[in-house]
Amino acid sequence: DTGVSQDPRHKITKRGQNVTFRCDPISEHNRLYWYRQTLGQGPEFLTYFQNEAQLEKSRLLSDRFSAERPKGSFSTLEIQRTEQGDSAMYLCASSRGGGVPPRDSPLHFGNGTRLTVT
Amino acid sequence: AQSVTQLDSHVSVSEGTPVLLRCNYSSSYSPSLFWYVQHPNKGLQLLLKYTSAATLVKGINGFEAEFKKSETSFHLTKPSAHMSDAAEYFCVVSGGTGRRALTFGSGTRLQVQP
Repeated sequence: DTGVSQDPRHKITKRGQNVTFRCDPISEHNRLYWYRQTLGQGPEFLTYFQNEAQLEKSRLLSDRFSAERPKGSFSTLEIQRTEQGDSAMYLCASSRGGGVPPRDSPLHFGNGTRLTVT
Repeated sequence: AQSVTQLDSHVSVSEGTPVLLRCNYSSSYSPSLFWYVQHPNKGLQLLLKYTSAATLVKGINGFEAEFKKSETSFHLTKPSAHMSDAAEYFCVVSGGTGRRALTFGSGTRLQVQP
């Protein structure tokens, strides 16, 4: 268990540019989540994958945001035409999923990618 | 919909004294509840979880929480604070059937004074 890995750790970009973040979950975990955390707030849910299927998206995920998990392993989160309001920590988490108890297996979080839009 | 309210944004205690971090939840069904801790520049770490088994849940590092349905509370406690406990703590409720997202509270920053 090497933990959830996120790359890059920090990203500084100019407004209007596109950025892409990568998340590598724990290898046996079939569920993957993206959250966004702004200063002084708790993480907010963005989207969730079970294997390669994107099963849920938050209303926070505007059409400038897109997430993929093409082979059910790593995932990417792309933000197009970045805005200053996109500046935040982007967190990825993974968990083991299925219909067997205990339900709602705990999430394991990565250290996040801090995005700064100037 | 489910939500959590962390009643204190900051809590300051002296080393060796008890810790109480308060959390109230709102849910239309039997929820799963968690406490996560976030140390500076580190990822979120699970402290403990409640999933409708025992109402008193023991976690790591001496923390525990009690699920009280009548009070819709899930307060986090520790008998004796340690300097290393200084961090941000989040109370979290899980989504309902078919919804796997977690809903986080706004966090409580715990300061531990020597």
